Amino acid sequence: DADVTQTPRNRITKTGKRIMLECSQTKGHDRMYWYRQDPGLGLRLIYYSFDVKDINKGEISDGYSVSRQAQAKFSLSLESAIPNQTALYFCATSDPTSLRNTDTQYFGPGTRLTVL
Amino acid sequence: RKEVEQDPGPFNVPEGATVAFNCTYSNSASQSFFWYRQDCRKEPKLLMSVYSSGNEDGRFTAQLNRASQYISLLIRDSKLSDSATYLCVVNGGTGRRALTFGSGTRLQVQP
Repeated sequence: DADVTQTPRNRITKTGKRIMLECSQTKGHDRMYWYRQDPGLGLRLIYYSFDVKDINKGEISDGYSVSRQAQAKFSLSLESAIPNQTALYFCATSDPTSLRNTDTQYFGPGTRLTVL
Repeated sequence: RKEVEQDPGPFNVPEGATVAFNCTYSNSASQSFFWYRQDCRKEPKLLMSVYSSGNEDGRFTAQLNRASQYISLLIRDSKLSDSATYLCVVNGGTGRRALTFGSGTRLQVQP
């Protein structure tokens, strides 16, 4: 089984709809992240959480919100989806207790979101 | 100026060739550096960390030049399976708690 899972894997929705993307991990990591990827722009950080009570905005948080329901779950919401939120969304985790690479991130398989 | 800059490519090379990618970063306080590999429509995966002394993993060698603020990745004896996008990743340095990803360099190894 995959260590980091995302649901749904693909979603097509309409402008103005509320969408929730979910991420679960079995790695036992405290740190979780949400990124979006657009062609030519690389991955951009939306939100990150270093533990259940810690939520931080990334570089492009406008139009998004998150919820850290448990150590293992981190959800991303688009309250009112718009077409320029069409992108590939990745969830990731990292382990601050790793002796070698505290910043190494482990990604989920991604969610392809299309907003019409 | 982008925090992490890479040549998008594509780099088209024949099998067996040696190819090198560079990446520059703007934050002189950055402490951690990585190369990730991303296959088309897949998630990024860690290829290797980049240490001050440089490091090698099989056909892959990574180097860090702090004075010039760039990191490099050298791939020797390219294989068809090396075809992918290579992402340069840098942490934000003191006070920054997350990583910054370059937009990637695409490599296409041809038979």
